[in-house]
Amino acid sequence: GAGVSQSPSNKVTEKGKDVELRCDPISGHTALYWYRQSLGQGLEFLIYFQGNSAPDKSGLPSDRFSAERTGGSVSTLTIQRTQQEDSAVYLCASSATGDEQFFGPGTRLTVL
Amino acid sequence: QKEVEQNSGPLSVPEGAIASLNCTYSDRGSQSFFWYRQYSGKSPELIMSIYSNGDKEDGRFTAQLNKASQYVSLLIRDSQPSDSATYLCAVDRGSTLGRLYFGRGTQLTVWP
Repeated sequence: GAGVSQSPSNKVTEKGKDVELRCDPISGHTALYWYRQSLGQGLEFLIYFQGNSAPDKSGLPSDRFSAERTGGSVSTLTIQRTQQEDSAVYLCASSATGDEQFFGPGTRLTVL
Repeated sequence: QKEVEQNSGPLSVPEGAIASLNCTYSDRGSQSFFWYRQYSGKSPELIMSIYSNGDKEDGRFTAQLNKASQYVSLLIRDSQPSDSATYLCAVDRGSTLGRLYFGRGTQLTVWP
């Protein structure tokens, strides 16, 4: 079956613009995670959705970041008024069990 | 103290040798432990999971868990140049269901 998909694969934007990143999890996976990874750095947790429960937003770095998950499936991560320090690879993962996570290919965001 | 700690490396071994990657974690309530492999420019790929003390073998990979010492390791036997990657250790926390905590990764180079 299909794995986690993310779009776009690359996004270049200008400082101050808003961007939306999309994640399609593996079908049937109830848990969905967003991470970001700056060049040469580890994974930074951003947000976690589990079924219909309230999301765990504890990793969002500022109120410019938000995410939603519609219909328990597709998720969109929105970054408002982008800054150069937002440049990173944004990774989405999904899980059926809440522990083993499977990652998508990521979206490389470059803020000029 | 970080939740999950790994030696950043780089670890360099000759082809055919055993590569040993180590990870320690802080939460005694952790129950699930994972190793991910991340090739340069790619997203993390799950390669091993372990839940019980002892060894778990899968092909050339062996995961070892010692909960008393809060230590998990990954051994790669007969290392190949294609094993050259960054290896990420991930651990759950008993108090935070569904979240995984990732180490910063150990960079492994296998030279021919």
